[in-house]
Amino acid sequence: GQQVMQIPQYQHVQEGEDFTTYCNSSTTLSNIQWYKQRPGGHPVFLIQLVKSGEVKKQKRLTFQFGEAKKNSSLHITATQTTDVGTYFCAQRYKDGNNRKLIWGLGTSLAVNP
Amino acid sequence: EAGVAQSPRYKIIEKRQSVAFWCNPISGHATLYWYQQILGQGPKLLIQFQNNGVVDDSQLPKDRFSAERLKGVDSTLKIQPAKLEDSAVYLCASSSGIYLSSTDTQYFGPGTRLTVL
Repeated sequence: GQQVMQIPQYQHVQEGEDFTTYCNSSTTLSNIQWYKQRPGGHPVFLIQLVKSGEVKKQKRLTFQFGEAKKNSSLHITATQTTDVGTYFCAQRYKDGNNRKLIWGLGTSLAVNP
Repeated sequence: EAGVAQSPRYKIIEKRQSVAFWCNPISGHATLYWYQQILGQGPKLLIQFQNNGVVDDSQLPKDRFSAERLKGVDSTLKIQPAKLEDSAVYLCASSSGIYLSSTDTQYFGPGTRLTVL
């Protein structure tokens, strides 16, 4: 069945360091979405990637979709304490006539000031 | 626009009792999701509705959990009877349902924190 791996599970960085989380699938994806969940909060949508090799940027965040559409990454340049939270990838795929969603387990980011 | 509404925000019950959660999605959103998020884990999809039809309920423990979206708008999720391991945050989300559209993103409600004693 459909599986998604997200690594690392946890990451501690010093403020100003870079951070990357990776999302890998066993099958080709239709699209991938990234969400951020602050401690005690609910997931908030960050971005959606659809095209093979797509790269999108949001300020210090860079999102990539692999050429084979089986993996994706989120890179944060020069982390800040406001980046603290858990980052999830969510993969959408077609199952017959239905479009289903599967979530990674998330990468929890801690930033030391 | 108004966000996804959920109630109650918190609920404490004893095991074997019943509980129901309510969700009102963003107006016009065709797809509605219920998730269970246990502390320290990612959201686990329980059920996905497209309008009032079920798209995916493969991870819904159907012996005790039920959900409905009768008019294709708001939805209720019920647990009967509750077990200790049901303690979690229950998140409702909605999306426009337009596949691969830039608007096909999920917007989450604040969640209901359930504690089963």
